[in-house]
Amino acid sequence: NAGVTQTPKFRILKIGQSMTLQCTQDMNHNYMYWYRQDPGMGLKLIYYSVGAGITDKGEVPNGYNVSRSTTEDFPLRLELAAPSQTSVYFCASSYRTDYEQYFGPGTRLTVT
Amino acid sequence: GDSVTQMEGPVTLSEEAFLTINCTYTATGYPSLFWYVQCPGEGLQLLLKATKADDKGSNKGFEATYRKETTSFHLEKGSVQVSDSAVYFCALSDQYGQNFVFGPGTRLSVLP
Repeated sequence: NAGVTQTPKFRILKIGQSMTLQCTQDMNHNYMYWYRQDPGMGLKLIYYSVGAGITDKGEVPNGYNVSRSTTEDFPLRLELAAPSQTSVYFCASSYRTDYEQYFGPGTRLTVT
Repeated sequence: GDSVTQMEGPVTLSEEAFLTINCTYTATGYPSLFWYVQCPGEGLQLLLKATKADDKGSNKGFEATYRKETTSFHLEKGSVQVSDSAVYFCALSDQYGQNFVFGPGTRLSVLP
């Protein structure tokens, strides 16, 4: 099993550009999450999904969008990138919310 | 709302020293509690967990006991190694499966 995979690993964007961060899991988990981690800080939840076709906002959703058309995939879309979105983005999945979350390796995004 | 508080880092220890990282939580009912570890440049990995009061989670020499009366889940290890240097996150999942909260993380540095 590959677990949770994320692409790309690194990306540099100019202000105003858009991009999609990809996340795929092969564990048949219903629950998937997107977090951002700013330097030296903890994790902040951006969006989460409890199953295909169902998404909901987390703590810091502004400037982001998600979709969940399949159980496996949970892409995160950045529209009109801003320097404040410079961060490391982690995708995670879990079987249930009270079970452990499995994390991907992260995407390091810089917006200049 | 639910929250997790951890001792501020960084924590610097010599090899073979005893480690304690304090974690306290605020949540209604009976949450599940977790410790995650993040090595440099990587995603988070589950270290141990406990799902009910008085349970002890353990893994790789680390232990933590779910104390309902003090709402705590302190991480301990009897003899740390240089390879334990990482950031440690305490987290909880509420009993209703609607909320997963991470603490801010504690950076541990172990010197040879």
